[in-house]
Amino acid sequence: AQKITQTQPGMFVQEKEAVTLDCTYDTSDPSYGLFWYKQPSSGEMIFLIYQGSYDQQNATEGRYSLNFQKARKSANLVISASQLGDSAMYFCAMSDNQAGTALIFGKGTTLSVSS
Amino acid sequence: EAGVTQSPTHLIKTRGQQVTLRCSPISGHTSVYWYQQALGLGLQFLLWYDEGEERNRGNFPPRFSGRQFPNYSSELNVNALELEDSALYLCASSPRRVASRSYTDTQYFGPGTRLTVL
Repeated sequence: AQKITQTQPGMFVQEKEAVTLDCTYDTSDPSYGLFWYKQPSSGEMIFLIYQGSYDQQNATEGRYSLNFQKARKSANLVISASQLGDSAMYFCAMSDNQAGTALIFGKGTTLSVSS
Repeated sequence: EAGVTQSPTHLIKTRGQQVTLRCSPISGHTSVYWYQQALGLGLQFLLWYDEGEERNRGNFPPRFSGRQFPNYSSELNVNALELEDSALYLCASSPRRVASRSYTDTQYFGPGTRLTVL
């Protein structure tokens, strides 16, 4: 069965520093997509970045990059130059052909950025 | 471009009642998804609608149902509310591209409806 594991319940970082949020996944399907979402205290899930299983390059979107290590089944999110507004819950999610379009989410990591 | 909208924002109901939540997708998106985010249970997939049809369903009882309208907006109905139905209900939409590559579809979420069942 598909599974997403986020082992860091909470992470703390200072402004302007980089932070890595860990995500490992499990699927037997060679075709899958990996997603990261940010959920501020308001509740809305904000899409950050996507990585496809066949993508050769690691995905990047502004200050967000995805460190995709296929053999290790990991898809860590790297946030560079953290800002106070980055404080939120971050979710890693996956979809594969078995799941169809359903996203399977990890339990999330709470990121706290301090000045 | 307007994002996914949901109404109402908050809702308080009592056990046994019925509730209807509404979602309007991003313009041009034909797929709508519903997720439940209950405390301690994380985000769980509820339902997927595309082109007016229910395409997939998560592991939820039949009292969770919904529909999608010709304009692609959607309703989620929950009958016979139970205390454990208290949760944030999130709606998401995506454009439908190639069915064989549906796992690549990015889902964009609305602000959610927070349901409290007393």
